Amino acid sequence: GAGVSQSPRYKVAKRGQDVALRCDPISGHVSLFWYQQALGQGPEFLTYFQNEAQLDKSGLPSDRFFAERPEGSVSTLKIQRTQQEDSAVYLCASSGTSQETQYFGPGTRLLVL
Amino acid sequence: GESVGLHLPTLSVQEGDNSIINCAYSNSASDYFIWYKQESGKGPQFIIDIRSNMDKRQGQRVTVLLNKTVKHLSLQIAATQPGDSAVYFCAEKTGYSTLTFGKGTMLLVSP
Repeated sequence: GAGVSQSPRYKVAKRGQDVALRCDPISGHVSLFWYQQALGQGPEFLTYFQNEAQLDKSGLPSDRFFAERPEGSVSTLKIQRTQQEDSAVYLCASSGTSQETQYFGPGTRLLVL
Repeated sequence: GESVGLHLPTLSVQEGDNSIINCAYSNSASDYFIWYKQESGKGPQFIIDIRSNMDKRQGQRVTVLLNKTVKHLSLQIAATQPGDSAVYFCAEKTGYSTLTFGKGTMLLVSP
């Protein structure tokens, strides 16, 4: 079946703009994760959902970052008033349960000018 | 050989050689470990995993070794191919869900 998909694949924003990044997990996967990957670094955890419940948001770097998964499927990561330091690849991953292997989408590359 | 580049350690091998990529993990309580391969412009791709009650696991052309005493993980790739060129990350699972990734190693395979 289809893997994890993310859109848009690339996003250029002016500093101060709001952006919304979408993740479509593998169908039926309960767990969904967001990661931020800076250039040359490994992914860093942002937040985790089990169905529609956001169980861990300890990795969100500031209150400008907000994630939701209202129906327990598609998730949106929103960044308000973007800053240059928000430039990174944002990766979404899903797994059948929190204990199972996480499968990643292709990521959204965000560039804030 | 192995060298430290501007951002990532790099391992350069010839096609057909066996490759060994090493990783030191941080949390002695971690009980699940994964190797991911990431090609340019793509998300991490699952390669192989191992749980802490094992010290070795084999897949197709890949083997993962776990040494809990020194908190060390390695990925062995047999008969390395140009298509194996990518950045390889180890990740450890701490708690119920969070994956903590290592810094990554770039593997360059020359034909």
